[in-house]
Amino acid sequence: AQSVTQLGSHVSVSEGALVLLRCNYSSSVPPYLFWYVQYPNQGLQLLLKYTTGATLVKGINGFEAEFKKSETSFHLTKPSAHMSDAAEYFCAVRDDKIIFGKGTRLHILP
Amino acid sequence: DGGITQSPKYLFRKEGQNVTLSCEQNLNHDAMYWYRQDPGQGLRLIYYSQIVNDFQKGDIAEGYSVSREKKESFPLTVTSAQKNPTAFYLCASSSFVGDTAELFFGEGSRLTVL
Repeated sequence: AQSVTQLGSHVSVSEGALVLLRCNYSSSVPPYLFWYVQYPNQGLQLLLKYTTGATLVKGINGFEAEFKKSETSFHLTKPSAHMSDAAEYFCAVRDDKIIFGKGTRLHILP
Repeated sequence: DGGITQSPKYLFRKEGQNVTLSCEQNLNHDAMYWYRQDPGQGLRLIYYSQIVNDFQKGDIAEGYSVSREKKESFPLTVTSAQKNPTAFYLCASSSFVGDTAELFFGEGSRLTVL
């Protein structure tokens, strides 16, 4: 069965520092992978997705993620954190349906 | 603008009462979904529907019911049989039930049982 593991339920970074949110997945078939962001009391918004082709995927708000098949990972990065990046981030994998990780709350320190 | 509209945004219910959450989309999407979100547990699938007049149970369907009489609408009823209904409920849609289709989400409905 497919599954998604996000390492760290809370991550804190200083403003201007690198953001790294970790996601590992298990899937019996080539995966389709997604990162979503959720601001308080709102729905989820798609940041980026990997389907096929280039393994480095660029998304909105300066985020990107790299699909590494050998490591079954799809980590989300941003070179320089901004206060507005404070939110909860969800990794997801689609097989016959979309499965979400439990989320990582990103805190930005001034 | 196209999107998904959920209502109400906040809802309070007494124990033993049924409540219906509305979800409407004007994206012309075939598939619609209901998720439940609890702190630290991510999103859990309640029901989903691929076409009108058809729907399937997700991972936590007990105590919930849905209907899909129109393509645009997918209401969720939280029944009195749901033991712990206080949660944030999210409705989503996608263009088709295909591998690469991402989900589009509504703003959510927060249900509190008093």
